Amino acid sequence: DSGVTQTPKHLITATGQRVTLRCSPRSGDLSVYWYQQSLDQGLQFLIQYYNGEERAKGNILERFSAQQFPDLHSELNLSSLELGDSALYFCASSAGWASGSGRETQYFGPGTRLLVL
Amino acid sequence: GESVGLHLPTLSVQEGDNSIINCAYSNSASDYFIWYKQESGKGPQFIIDIRSNMDKRQGQRVTVLLNKTVKHLSLQIAATQPGDSAVYFCAENNDGNTGKLIFGQGTTLQVKP
Repeated sequence: DSGVTQTPKHLITATGQRVTLRCSPRSGDLSVYWYQQSLDQGLQFLIQYYNGEERAKGNILERFSAQQFPDLHSELNLSSLELGDSALYFCASSAGWASGSGRETQYFGPGTRLLVL
Repeated sequence: GESVGLHLPTLSVQEGDNSIINCAYSNSASDYFIWYKQESGKGPQFIIDIRSNMDKRQGQRVTVLLNKTVKHLSLQIAATQPGDSAVYFCAENNDGNTGKLIFGQGTTLQVKP
């Protein structure tokens, strides 16, 4: 158990809908990351938050957004869902001792499996 | 572009043998590397990491070797066990100001009893 929790575990929804994925980082970790894992693209970095502020962005679609709250939990919002958004979405966290959290070990949660029908 | 690739998609070994999983990276600016293990239905699990100022790092039954000259990374697992069966990913970080990790495609390790 990494200490990172994600809810829900599974999510089935229809095209055009909007969903929210939730992540609680390990106790004390300041940095939260979101990754998408699909069969054709592998594990792709989406976005990083550090102590409530956006720190880095990857190839995150404009239909996707995220935020990190004062209690450090994070949410990933996916809107106008398309069939191609079906994937595993992972949250990870790291300590955040180093500014920006570069070169820190990231611990992954169990993921949310999203299926868009 | 940025990429971290793996030489072999599947590696099959006999229980008790040593396993070597290879990874090539393309960005010479990368200075931090991590190996993750992912079992079916689970999230990636941290195995070991190494910074670019090191050539080798050892953990429990695992060793990571880094060859910066040829931009190559390997994970060695000693006395491979059935529980080691999983997909193994290497990942790199080339921006110390962020934690963005670039992952390779993964190698499936199959351990035959």
